[in-house]
Amino acid sequence: ETGVTQTPRHLVMGMTNKKSLKCEQHLGHNAMYWYKQSAKKPLELMFVYNFKEQTENNSVPSRFSPECPNSSHLFLHLHTLQPEDSALYLCASRPGTSGMANEQFFGPGTRLTVL
Amino acid sequence: AQKITQTQPGMFVQEKEAVTLDCTYDTSDPSYGLFWYKQPSSGEMIFLIYQGSYDQQNATEGRYSLNFQKARKSANLVISASQLGDSAMYFCAMRGHSSASKIIFGSGTRLSIRP
Repeated sequence: ETGVTQTPRHLVMGMTNKKSLKCEQHLGHNAMYWYKQSAKKPLELMFVYNFKEQTENNSVPSRFSPECPNSSHLFLHLHTLQPEDSALYLCASRPGTSGMANEQFFGPGTRLTVL
Repeated sequence: AQKITQTQPGMFVQEKEAVTLDCTYDTSDPSYGLFWYKQPSSGEMIFLIYQGSYDQQNATEGRYSLNFQKARKSANLVISASQLGDSAMYFCAMRGHSSASKIIFGSGTRLSIRP
C-alpha cells in the first residue's frame, strides 16, 4: 500500500463512451502525475500537476482531459477513445516537482480496454 | 536528450541465486538521480532503490544494491538471494537536474525466479 489509490481498477468502454479515472493520494504530496503503460513499451508520461496547476502536457491527445481540483485528487476524463488507447494508466505522486531524490509513489493503476 | 536502456527483455534465475539486471543511461545533465522500480503482475510500481549521481557509495536497500559505474553510465540492479516473490517486471529510471519534474523509464526486464 503506497498511499496512492486509483479507481476503478478495471474499465471497459466503447469508443463513444465518456468515463473518468480517479486518483487520490493520502501522503500530503503536492505533485501528481498520469502515466500510460502500453504493452511492450516504456511508461509514457502524460501530465504533471504541481500545486493543482498543470506544469506538463506531453503532447497528449485532447480526448484525454485531466483535472486536478486539489493536491490530493487527480482525474483523467476520457471521451471518444480509440482501441490503441487501451493500456494501464498509472497515477503517481511526489512531495514536489523539484529535487531529484524524491521517488514517485505509484497507485495500482487502472487497466483500460477500449472496444 | 535523456535515455534509459535495458537490454534484457527477460531473465530466468534459480531461487536463492543472485541476479544482476542491466541498465545504461545517457544524459547531458551533470547531476541526476537513478531509480529502480518493481512491477508485479498486479500492476503497481514499487520503488526499490535510489542512487544520486554524486553519491560516493553504491546504494543498498536490504537485498537490493545498485552497481553504479558513472564513467560507463551504468546503474545495474543486483538482487541477492533471489526469492519466488521477486518475479516481476523491473524498470530502471532516471531524473535529470534540467528536468527534475519528470522521470523517464526504460523498457523493463521481466525477471522469473525458478523454484
